[in-house]
Amino acid sequence: ETGVTQSPTHLIKTRGQQVTLRCSSQSGHNTVSWYQQALGQGPQFIFQYYREEENGRGNFPPRFSGLQFPNYSSELNVNALELDDSALYLCASSSRKSGGASDTQYFGPGTRLTVL
Amino acid sequence: GQQLNQSPQSMFIQEGEDVSMNCTSSSIFNTWLWYKQDPGEGPVLLIALYKAGELTSNGRLTAQFGITRKDSFLNISASIPSDVGIYFCAGQSGGSYIPTFGRGTSLIVHP
Repeated sequence: ETGVTQSPTHLIKTRGQQVTLRCSSQSGHNTVSWYQQALGQGPQFIFQYYREEENGRGNFPPRFSGLQFPNYSSELNVNALELDDSALYLCASSSRKSGGASDTQYFGPGTRLTVL
Repeated sequence: GQQLNQSPQSMFIQEGEDVSMNCTSSSIFNTWLWYKQDPGEGPVLLIALYKAGELTSNGRLTAQFGITRKDSFLNISASIPSDVGIYFCAGQSGGSYIPTFGRGTSLIVHP
């Protein structure tokens, strides 16, 4: 186990709704990255949070947003859900020193989101 | 953008056989990573490679960072049933340390 936890495990929503996914990072890690993994694909980078600020973003629309809290846990929010948002959402935590690069990322088990 | 081509897409082998899979990129990476993902789990890092030409082993797994910095391979020797899963390569470039993932190789091992 990596020590990264995510909730909920599974979620079913309908098109147009909003969803919030949660991630608790591994102890000692200050950086959280979120990925979307569609069926049969590799994880696609959504964004990364470091010290409660967004620090890098992939090719995802603004309706994908996030937060990082002082304890380094994080939320991923998706508004106006679309059918194509159905996927496994992974968070990964890592450690990063100020002005430096992140260490290896450790992934949580993911949240399976189904949009009907 | 960067694209990773991972092959083969899937493999069906007998227990005890050796396995080889590879990744090629349209651009240069300065780090190559190999992950394994079991059903219902997130990817788990198997091997990290940081220098062109580097050959690294982790038990029965061996991975190499290609000299051109545009490719990498992973070998698994004497496969066992618990090797079943999806193997992903990922490359990192520049200072972003955000990995770009391949599409995965699905491995099935018949006892």
